[in-house]
Amino acid sequence: QSALTQPRSVSGSPGQSVTISCTGTSSDVGGYNYVSWYQQHPGKAPKLMIYDVSKRPSGVPDRFSGSKSGNTASLTISGLQAEDEADYYCCSYAGSYTSWVFGGGTKLTVL
Amino acid sequence: QITLKESGPTLVKPTQTLTLTCTFSGFSLSTSGVGVGWIRQPPGKALEWLALIYWDDDKRYSPSLKSRLTITKDTSKNQVVLTMTNMDPVDTATYYCAHKVYYFDYWGQGTLVTVSS
Repeated sequence: QSALTQPRSVSGSPGQSVTISCTGTSSDVGGYNYVSWYQQHPGKAPKLMIYDVSKRPSGVPDRFSGSKSGNTASLTISGLQAEDEADYYCCSYAGSYTSWVFGGGTKLTVL
Repeated sequence: QITLKESGPTLVKPTQTLTLTCTFSGFSLSTSGVGVGWIRQPPGKALEWLALIYWDDDKRYSPSLKSRLTITKDTSKNQVVLTMTNMDPVDTATYYCAHKVYYFDYWGQGTLVTVSS
């Protein structure tokens, strides 16, 4: 069982918006603004999409945005495109002992 | 350009020790703040963080696997080595190494390790 809870799957039609949640505790998501999101296409390595809760690395479309409220972080993808279909994982810093925890992953299907 | 590549055995037997090497380029592990981490992913399952080593040789381990893991670095060779003892079939996974300053921003392609007799 992963430390952070994500929905197993979400779906949306092209052009629509979807939001993926990532629920942790006050010891990880709620305790630090060090939440990141990764996109993973089948057979490929994960790609950093969001860091520091809401910042986008260079080259990531602004259709991807992140936020956090309490112990839950969220990734929103607006203007869905076919190439957004992938697995998405959240990750949070969890203190000096546990260090880093990942979510269970969410499969995004673009209908 | 930062690149990382994992290498090691593709098949290990139960109870054996796994040794994986991450060879990287485009950065130095002697630069302040830089780290290299290991993350694994069993087939069809989620990512799991395993270990992390920093430029100053500070090492961090997943609490659930700490007793089985050792991470070391060879700065002159641009390599990080992860050893995992007492391998079990449940440890079958793709093992990734990744560059980290604040986040795991560059990843290797991963290497699939199967544990089977």
